[in-house]
Amino acid sequence: DIQMTQSPSTLSASVGDRVTITCRASQSISSWLAWYQQKPGKAPKLLIYKASSLESGVPSRFSGSGSGTEFTLTISSLQPDDFATYYCQQYNSYPFTFGPGTKVDIK
Amino acid sequence: EVQLVESGGGLVQPGGSLRLSCAASGFTFSSYDMHWVRQATGKGLEWVSAIGTAGDTYYPGSVKGRFTISRENAKNSLYLQMNSLRAGDTAVYYCARASHYAFDIWGQGTMVTVSS
Repeated sequence: DIQMTQSPSTLSASVGDRVTITCRASQSISSWLAWYQQKPGKAPKLLIYKASSLESGVPSRFSGSGSGTEFTLTISSLQPDDFATYYCQQYNSYPFTFGPGTKVDIK
Repeated sequence: EVQLVESGGGLVQPGGSLRLSCAASGFTFSSYDMHWVRQATGKGLEWVSAIGTAGDTYYPGSVKGRFTISRENAKNSLYLQMNSLRAGDTAVYYCARASHYAFDIWGQGTMVTVSS
């Protein structure tokens, strides 16, 4: 199985900050990576698919990059609505696996 | 409106069974791969099963042999039959639609509690 790791596990930031979250896969997954945002008590929301493609309706301050085993999610200017937990997910091969999550909270 | 609505969760004893349902609306259900994902309270997301448009199925080792995913396209419905349930299966279960293979539409989730 492909293992996914994320860093950091928690990130404290202020509104307006540039935020970067890193996701690593235990083996190459090409660009088959998605990023999700989840708020407490809610279902996850797709932000980015195929490593760098922005899902329709997602603000352009979110961007993704990377390929192979290392990926990043960047929020160019953190907004109040962005305080949440972010998960990466590989869908290169079954079993699909998620990273452990990165919680972005208020500094 | 594109929507997924799960049902069927509840309290079940260890070793028991439960069948979850997911009702799809607002899109051509038969054209999409569908998945189940679960989340224990305070924990991360865990992929549970998938079914392709041709009925091919996939499971992680943690549920293989105990859970069965199925679909009924005529009813726009997805199911998860869960047998031999364990305390570790306690979680919110989400159904999700796969588009570009990523999960673009999620239901609101249904809670499954395995306890005596």
